[in-house]
Amino acid sequence: SQQGEEDPQALSIQEGENATMNCSYKTSINNLQWYRQNSGRGLVHLILIRSNEREKHSGRLRVTLDTSKKSSSLLITASRAADTASYFCAFSGANSKLTFGKGITLSVRP
Amino acid sequence: GAGVSQSPSNKVTEKGKDVELRCDPISGHTALYWYRQRLGQGLEFLIYFQGNSAPDKSGLPSDRFSAERTGESVSTLTIQRTQQEDSAVYLCASSYGQGTYYGYTFGSGTRLTVV
Repeated sequence: SQQGEEDPQALSIQEGENATMNCSYKTSINNLQWYRQNSGRGLVHLILIRSNEREKHSGRLRVTLDTSKKSSSLLITASRAADTASYFCAFSGANSKLTFGKGITLSVRP
Repeated sequence: GAGVSQSPSNKVTEKGKDVELRCDPISGHTALYWYRQRLGQGLEFLIYFQGNSAPDKSGLPSDRFSAERTGESVSTLTIQRTQQEDSAVYLCASSYGQGTYYGYTFGSGTRLTVV
């Protein structure tokens, strides 16, 4: 399967702590993206990292990409209760669609 | 519009009936995607449009599923003779340009329940 695999499946942390989520994939990619989903409805695009980039920042988000290990990580610093959601990694290869992982459920306790 | 709009937001239908789901992408976004998400699962790719053509229909589960896009804007996903396993949230997304060099903007989805 080309589907990405996220790790862990579920994560529970205290407000103010950092949350680290990992994603692995099997094919060569053009870019990798992270999305957030609240309440099982629409996904919100968080950040995109291209295959020739190793690290990218956006506000409290930091994403890394290691193409040699075919893995990426998303770090949310100083987490807030509002960060509680499901997080998905998605990657694109030679075709023109994103393949999504199964998602990571993040719970941030106030 | 300002975002991707999907209608209806919720649909309950009887097994065997046909349903039509609508997606209005962001104006100027040439690429449009349909995904399906079953409860507690990841996103399952259905079909991708570039303009009005569909280069990739590989995710459509059966010939009961079809989709079209007209005028490089609105797309409709039609499910004929619905089955209970079709129950899911159907998500539409659009992006600027071809390929996946840009992030997707998703609609809020249509929650389909087949009873």
